[in-house]
Amino acid sequence: SAVISQKPSRDICQRGTSLTIQCQVDSQVTMMFWYRQQPGQSLTLIATANQGSEATYESGFVIDKFPISRPNLTFSTLTVSNMSPEDSSIYLCSVGDRGRDGYGYTFGSGTRLTVV
Amino acid sequence: SQQGEEDPQALSIQEGENATMNCSYKTSINNLQWYRQNSGRGLVHLILIRSNEREKHSGRLRVTLDTSKKSSSLLITASRAADTASYFCATVDYSGGYQKVTFGTGTKLQVIP
Repeated sequence: SAVISQKPSRDICQRGTSLTIQCQVDSQVTMMFWYRQQPGQSLTLIATANQGSEATYESGFVIDKFPISRPNLTFSTLTVSNMSPEDSSIYLCSVGDRGRDGYGYTFGSGTRLTVV
Repeated sequence: SQQGEEDPQALSIQEGENATMNCSYKTSINNLQWYRQNSGRGLVHLILIRSNEREKHSGRLRVTLDTSKKSSSLLITASRAADTASYFCATVDYSGGYQKVTFGTGTKLQVIP
């Protein structure tokens, strides 16, 4: 299955600043997914990133706040812009992966963001 | 909300006991998957069950699916301290012409040595 390297693993940021999270996959993938997981909550899809096109954002998430880059089939970044304490969450990237029992998803190790 | 509901929200058992977690969902699905998350880290795929399957086994894991009730259960047999984690179900739906994945609310499992 695919292996994803996600950086940074955690950060503490000042409000009003921006943080860029990187995900590197060890194989070429068509779609990459970005999720947010607020403390003690489930995962919420932010956007789907296809190489060579604009990311598709879910309701409640906008490109100005969460710009995404997808320069090639193995790499993507998510930027959390103009941060506020409400942005404190775990951010996760994910790719689809064909395993033994079907098409599942592999996740990066997550970025734990605290905004102060 | 289309988010699946899981119960219990938290479960504490002794090592060696079985742990059962339930997931209910609202929409049609192509398949349902279970994931484990350790201490707020990335999720690890455990098992996938297709909508035309009723039961599936993988090692100490047993998953059931009842599409008429829109529910699934995950059974972990002979639990170990290393099974302590949060467990999430995820439904996958292709009916809208694209792949939509929706995660449940999660069950936090604690296995006491």
